[in-house]
Amino acid sequence: GAGVSQSPSNKVTEKGKDVELRCDPISGHTALYWYRQSLGQGLEFLIYFQGNSAPDKSGLPSDRFSAERTGGSVSTLTIQRTQQEDSAVYLCASSLGTHNSPLHFGNGTRLTVT
Amino acid sequence: QKEVEQDPGPLSVPEGAIVSLNCTYSNSAFQYFMWYRQYSRKGPELLMYTYSSGNKEDGRFTAQVDKSSKYISLFIRDSQPSDSATYLCAAFSGNTGKLIFGQGTTLQVKP
Repeated sequence: GAGVSQSPSNKVTEKGKDVELRCDPISGHTALYWYRQSLGQGLEFLIYFQGNSAPDKSGLPSDRFSAERTGGSVSTLTIQRTQQEDSAVYLCASSLGTHNSPLHFGNGTRLTVT
Repeated sequence: QKEVEQDPGPLSVPEGAIVSLNCTYSNSAFQYFMWYRQYSRKGPELLMYTYSSGNKEDGRFTAQVDKSSKYISLFIRDSQPSDSATYLCAAFSGNTGKLIFGQGTTLQVKP
């Protein structure tokens, strides 16, 4: 079946602009995660959804970052007034939502802020 | 201190070698442990998943967890050039629903 789909795959934007990154999880997966991966770094947790609610937003780096999920499916990560340090690969993952369900990742959106 | 620590490498081995990848963690609440493999410009893919202390084997891969010392390992036998990738360990807390990753170890297997 279809895996986690992220769009766009690449995004180049100018400093100060807003960007929206989209994630389509695997059908039936109730949990959805956003991570950020900077060059040569591991995955940094950003936010986690169970259904449409976000029990843990602790990883969002600043108030310029926000995320929402509608209909228990598609999620959007929005970065306002982008800065150069926001350049990274943004990865989305979904799971069945039980406490021992493995995460399935998309291929990420590579964001470059110039 | 990061909750999950992993030596970033890089690690270079000849084809056929046994590879040992290791992580330590600090949070006793972590209950489940996973190893992901990530090829360049791709998302991580799940390799191994373990819960209890001990070994779990899948083909050429063996995952080992020692909860008493908070140490997790991945062994790759008869390594192949196609194993060249970044390997990420991860620990999951059922309390928070959060999966925390190590930094990742870059492995190169030379033919």
